[in-house]
Amino acid sequence: DTAVSQTPKYLVTQMGNDKSIKCEQNLGHDTMYWYKQDSKKFLKIMFSYNNKELIINETVPNRFSPKSPDKAHLNLHINSLELGDSAVYFCASSQPRGPSGSSYNEQFFGPGTRLTVL
Amino acid sequence: RKEVEQDPGPFNVPEGATVAFNCTYSNSASQSFFWYRQDCRKEPKLLMSVYSSGNEDGRFTAQLNRASQYISLLIRDSKLSDSATYLCAVNIPGDGGATNKLIFGTGTLLAVQP
Repeated sequence: DTAVSQTPKYLVTQMGNDKSIKCEQNLGHDTMYWYKQDSKKFLKIMFSYNNKELIINETVPNRFSPKSPDKAHLNLHINSLELGDSAVYFCASSQPRGPSGSSYNEQFFGPGTRLTVL
Repeated sequence: RKEVEQDPGPFNVPEGATVAFNCTYSNSASQSFFWYRQDCRKEPKLLMSVYSSGNEDGRFTAQLNRASQYISLLIRDSKLSDSATYLCAVNIPGDGGATNKLIFGTGTLLAVQP
C-alpha cells in the first residue's frame, strides 16, 4: 500500500495555464505539506496544513493555492503558470508527537510531481 | 549563516570505505534532526532520526553535537547501493507541534565506486 501518493507523476504544460496536483496519505497523519525541489535539488517547504487548517505559508506567490478537503488529502492548484514554476513538487505528511510543545516531525514523502512549464 | 548547511560533495569512495557527512544548523532551539536518502528522480526517504546524542542502525550511525550545532552521518562498509544524495533536515520549532517545520540542507552526493 502506498503511504503518500500524488497525481499526476508528470505534468507538462504551457505558460499561463492553470494546473492542479493531488496528494493523498493513508497513514492517518494530521499534518500534510507541499515542498518544491528546484533544478539545484534544493528542497523547500511551501505550505503545511494541520487537520485541514493552513498552518504554514512560506511566502509563496498567491498563484499557488493549496486546498485540504479532509486531513488525508492536500491538493495544490497553480494559476498562470510561469517558467520558474518548473520543478518537482513533493507532498509529505507527519504526525507531530512528543511532549506538549515539542514535535519530532518525522515526515514521509510522496513520489513527487515533475512539472515542466514550456 | 544559513539555517542548515551541508557539503554538497560529491563524495567518491571505494566499496568498503567509511564515509562521514556533516550538517550544521543555526537554530539552537531545534530538538529533532533527520537524515534522508534521495535516489535520482525519487522522493526523499527517511533514513534516520536523531533526538538525543545519536542513533545507530546497522552500518549507519547518526550523531548530534548540540554544543557545536551539527549532526553527522557515518556509513561504514559502503556498498554500491549506498550511492545516493543524503539530505539532512532540522526541525525548527514553532508555537505548537503542528507549526514546526523541517529545513533541509542542500544534500550531499555520495558515489560508491566498485
